[in-house]
Amino acid sequence: GESVGLHLPTLSVQEGDNSIINCAYSNSASDYFIWYKQESGKGPQFIIDIRSNMDKRQGQRVTVLLNKTVKHLSLQIAATQPGDSAVYFCAENHQGGKLIFGQGTELSVKP
Amino acid sequence: GAVVSQHPSRVICKSGTSVKIECRSLDFQATTMFWYRQFPKQSLMLMATSNEGSKATYEQGVEKDKFLINHASLTLSTLTVTSAHPEDSSFYICSARDPRGKETQYFGPGTRLLVL
Repeated sequence: GESVGLHLPTLSVQEGDNSIINCAYSNSASDYFIWYKQESGKGPQFIIDIRSNMDKRQGQRVTVLLNKTVKHLSLQIAATQPGDSAVYFCAENHQGGKLIFGQGTELSVKP
Repeated sequence: GAVVSQHPSRVICKSGTSVKIECRSLDFQATTMFWYRQFPKQSLMLMATSNEGSKATYEQGVEKDKFLINHASLTLSTLTVTSAHPEDSSFYICSARDPRGKETQYFGPGTRLLVL
């Protein structure tokens, strides 16, 4: 069936380094993608989104890249900080506004 | 961003009892809200789509008679877990789509349910 998946379940980086979290999706018809950050015991927090008519979108310290050819999405976090430690999910918007979430990547930032 | 609240944040109940969880959009009206369930170390799984003024739409495998959803107003949706059992223990999260923006969904803080 349709799914959105992640390549890396865990990622450990040094404070100040850049982080890259990857995501693969299977529905080539998807036209809207979102990255969420979830801290322990809390609900997901919107980070950044991108539409399929774009290849790249930048926010504050975060960049999302979309490669429609290989159905791949990535989230880049610049100068990773301890406060960035969390689980990151990509989500694919389906018809009716339903979100299909990837499995998640746990980011751990070492001081 | 838009604010979505949930109540209660945590609930412990005995097996066989029913538990109601509320989801509110605080600064916008949401005709559509969504309910997710999340087990430890797992992703969010969509349970159902809550539509204001009409019946909820349930995902495959989700029992509509066990997870009752009511969306009586544009700012409130409720999820009632009926005859809860230990296997229903999970983190329940709602989201709402702000019609003023794009398709962005804003999530509530979640409700931790523990059934003894």
